[in-house]
Amino acid sequence: ELKVEQNPLFLSMQEGKNYTIYCNYSTTSDRLYWYRQDPGKSLESLFVLLSNGAVKQEGRLMASLDTKARLSTLHITAAVHDLSATYFCAVDRGSGGSNYKLTFGKGTLLTVNP
Amino acid sequence: GAVVSQHPSRVICKSGTSVKIECRSLDFQATTMFWYRQFPKQSLMLMATSNEGSKATYEQGVEKDKFLINHASLTLSTLTVTSAHPEDSSFYICSASWVRETQYFGPGTRLLVL
Repeated sequence: ELKVEQNPLFLSMQEGKNYTIYCNYSTTSDRLYWYRQDPGKSLESLFVLLSNGAVKQEGRLMASLDTKARLSTLHITAAVHDLSATYFCAVDRGSGGSNYKLTFGKGTLLTVNP
Repeated sequence: GAVVSQHPSRVICKSGTSVKIECRSLDFQATTMFWYRQFPKQSLMLMATSNEGSKATYEQGVEKDKFLINHASLTLSTLTVTSAHPEDSSFYICSASWVRETQYFGPGTRLLVL
């Protein structure tokens, strides 16, 4: 059974600081997603990482994937208040055909303080 | 990006009644739709996967007779919570995709059973 662990689960940081959220998963997978969720809202897709060594950046967020270590990171650079949200990583179980399914981590609640 | 809608956005019902939630892909044809539930401050848990024209595949522990899923067309899937009870109160989110692309999430439906 695929297990996905995120840490930290809670992150309070100051504006302007850098930090990294980690996502470990237990079985082989070739596809990992990062999502953002604002309170009371649904999920917004941030990144799709498809191969070992993949790195994607959008604004102050950068995501990377190491399939050998089964680890993905979401790095936040010079945080701003607007980044406050819950961030989820999700791993594709790769069950074959079109029934690919995602297992989500527990989420990291990020609060950026002025 | 692709747009997925859900209706209703929130619903309050009495215990014992049934509630239907619709999920529509507005600008693409979804070969697969997924239904998730999310309890407050928790992660998303996959309930079931549905492909157009075939029976839904339910995750372990999800009662298929209680959560009826119909995927009648490539743009519409419905989830019916039958004989709802207070413990069914949750945030229900659908997602849609084609082939093995990114899942696009709907805005969610908040269900409160009194």
